[in-house]
Amino acid sequence: GAVVSQHPSRVICKSGTSVKIECRSLDFQATTMFWYRQFPKQSLMLMATSNEGSKATYEQGVEKDKFLINHASLTLSTLTVTSAHPEDSSFYICSASRRVSLNEKLFFGSGTQLSVL
Amino acid sequence: AQKITQTQPGMFVQEKEAVTLDCTYDTSDQSYGLFWYKQPSSGEMIFLIYQGSYDEQNATEGRYSLNFQKARKSANLVISASQLGDSAMYFCAMREPNDYKLSFGAGTTVTVRA
Repeated sequence: GAVVSQHPSRVICKSGTSVKIECRSLDFQATTMFWYRQFPKQSLMLMATSNEGSKATYEQGVEKDKFLINHASLTLSTLTVTSAHPEDSSFYICSASRRVSLNEKLFFGSGTQLSVL
Repeated sequence: AQKITQTQPGMFVQEKEAVTLDCTYDTSDQSYGLFWYKQPSSGEMIFLIYQGSYDEQNATEGRYSLNFQKARKSANLVISASQLGDSAMYFCAMREPNDYKLSFGAGTTVTVRA
């Protein structure tokens, strides 16, 4: 099956620093990539949708200047948490889709646990 | 409004028994897709099963089956012959044609007891 690689799997950083998370589709071209945030024992909350070569579409309430998303190629999307603060600590997980279709399942990365001290 | 509702926060099931996880959804579209994902404690999201709104038969994938009742807008997941490795969080999700985003329910934590 299709593989999505996400790294780092875990990052601990000081408050005020920026953290970049990478999401790569290893064996397929991802037309669309999605970034989710998840708090412990809770659901996945969609943060933004990114399409290759265009600006990301952010969900309501998500600060686009805080969470910078770049989708430079059909196999790579990055999420940068800028000037991270303790409240940004969370599990971030990306997913990729080969095509826009109702029955197209999303392939997920393994997630990144961000801890901001 | 909540699109996907999972009313069972947690469930316990005995090994080798079957368990049903409830999922109801809300949409005005006639065409949509329903998914179930498993999330073990390691965090990755594992695709389990898919049901299209126009599929006449209930989807099955090994020990997983989906009890699709379109009129009631429910898509319950049945796991048969539970195994210890089935202990995880399970999410029901829906994809609609207007934006193709995947909307997730709150999830159900399943704990399989030996």
